[in-house]
Amino acid sequence: GAVVSQHPSWVICKSGTSVKIECRSLDFQATTMFWYRQFPKQSLMLMATSNEGSKATYEQGVEKDKFLINHASLTLSTLTVTSAHPEDSSFYICSARDRRDSGSSYEQYFGPGTRLTVT
Amino acid sequence: AQTVTQSQPEMSVQEAETVTLSCTYDTSENNYYLFWYKQPPSRQMILVIRQEAYKQQNATENRFSVNFQKAAKSFSLKISDSQLGDTAMYFCAFMVYSTLTFGKGTMLLVSP
Repeated sequence: GAVVSQHPSWVICKSGTSVKIECRSLDFQATTMFWYRQFPKQSLMLMATSNEGSKATYEQGVEKDKFLINHASLTLSTLTVTSAHPEDSSFYICSARDRRDSGSSYEQYFGPGTRLTVT
Repeated sequence: AQTVTQSQPEMSVQEAETVTLSCTYDTSENNYYLFWYKQPPSRQMILVIRQEAYKQQNATENRFSVNFQKAAKSFSLKISDSQLGDTAMYFCAFMVYSTLTFGKGTMLLVSP
């Protein structure tokens, strides 16, 4: 149980184009999903928190207009990198919380990640 | 703001031996959770072990155990009987109000 998928697993796009990454909870409903960015040999940095049906909350320093997050259903959140540039190349990881967990619960289930390369 | 510090960028251990990875954190919160995650070459994040701050008893999961010292804000991971499959990046993480903060990670290499 508690499986999170991401699609695509690897994407290459040209500079100036936009790319969408999907994060799905396969066997549970997720009221909250998280998006992280990980540079090579570095740690995960939280980019934003998205709640189903409401606007995402972005961490300081993350450009809202560049990284568009939509959490339109209880099983799907999308991250769109708009007008991508080579410096946006990174590994993007999502995670999700099960809506059945109480407010005091803490488990986050991670997706396998998406490698974005902007040429 | 919460910070998590892992002072060992790399560690090596031989198969079947025991290794301890260190982690310290800083917070003014009293209720929080601590985690160790493993990230193998596949880059899938795998939860190794978790500890609730209000519990005094150290968490244990098979070969993995923690030494949680709340007053010292220390949360080390001990891996017993190391296996080749334990080779991975290990991240210590702190959670408060559903937000996870990760340390920089420790690369553990288990050799035959």
